[in-house]
Amino acid sequence: ILNVEQSPQSLHVQEGDSTNFTCSFPSSNFYALHWYRWETAKSPEALFVMTLNGDEKKKGRISATLNTKEGYSYLYIKGSQPEDSATYLCAPNSGNTPLVFGKGTRLSVIA
Amino acid sequence: GAGVSQSPSNKVTEKGKDVELRCDPISGHTALYWYRQRLGQGLEFLIYFQGNSAPDKSGLPSDRFSAERTGESVSTLTIQRTQQEDSAVYLCASSPQWGLLNTEAFFGQGTRLTVV
Repeated sequence: ILNVEQSPQSLHVQEGDSTNFTCSFPSSNFYALHWYRWETAKSPEALFVMTLNGDEKKKGRISATLNTKEGYSYLYIKGSQPEDSATYLCAPNSGNTPLVFGKGTRLSVIA
Repeated sequence: GAGVSQSPSNKVTEKGKDVELRCDPISGHTALYWYRQRLGQGLEFLIYFQGNSAPDKSGLPSDRFSAERTGESVSTLTIQRTQQEDSAVYLCASSPQWGLLNTEAFFGQGTRLTVV
């Protein structure tokens, strides 16, 4: 099971600010990196599944990059909105294991 | 239904009682996963199923926890003799196949278990 660290643990930003947070994981035995958003009282929802070193994915104002050699991924949110408030979870996957999630970054966007 | 369905959505039980949590995965999804989140903690992996087989039960917190799956459909997570530390949100997820390399896991809305 891969060990994963997420930072910061929590983050408060003003509406309109851009922000980013980090997911770190062991670079060996890596196959894929998942990002999920978990809003209060809802189900965790997948944002991205990334597999290639140097890959960058984008969904609206949210994007993510992946560095498999050094074992990290960044999630960026441009122009944060109150509806972006959620816990953002990452989970590296070694292919033959279930997703093991980090503790998440709790984002609060203040209007 | 279109998504993963869990029941009950909320459960309050007395310490020492048994509880059964149910998960209906998306139809056709081979893999099914159980997680839980205790207050102030991260999302903790419990057990997964490939079809109706659970190859690795080491994530279950104690022998009071067990899980079953019927075919490639419903799964139940049973907690016997519940303790207060079992209070958590229990999440179920499913995916089309085992090995989440190019596919995501789809989560239910969870069962909030409170042991009093």
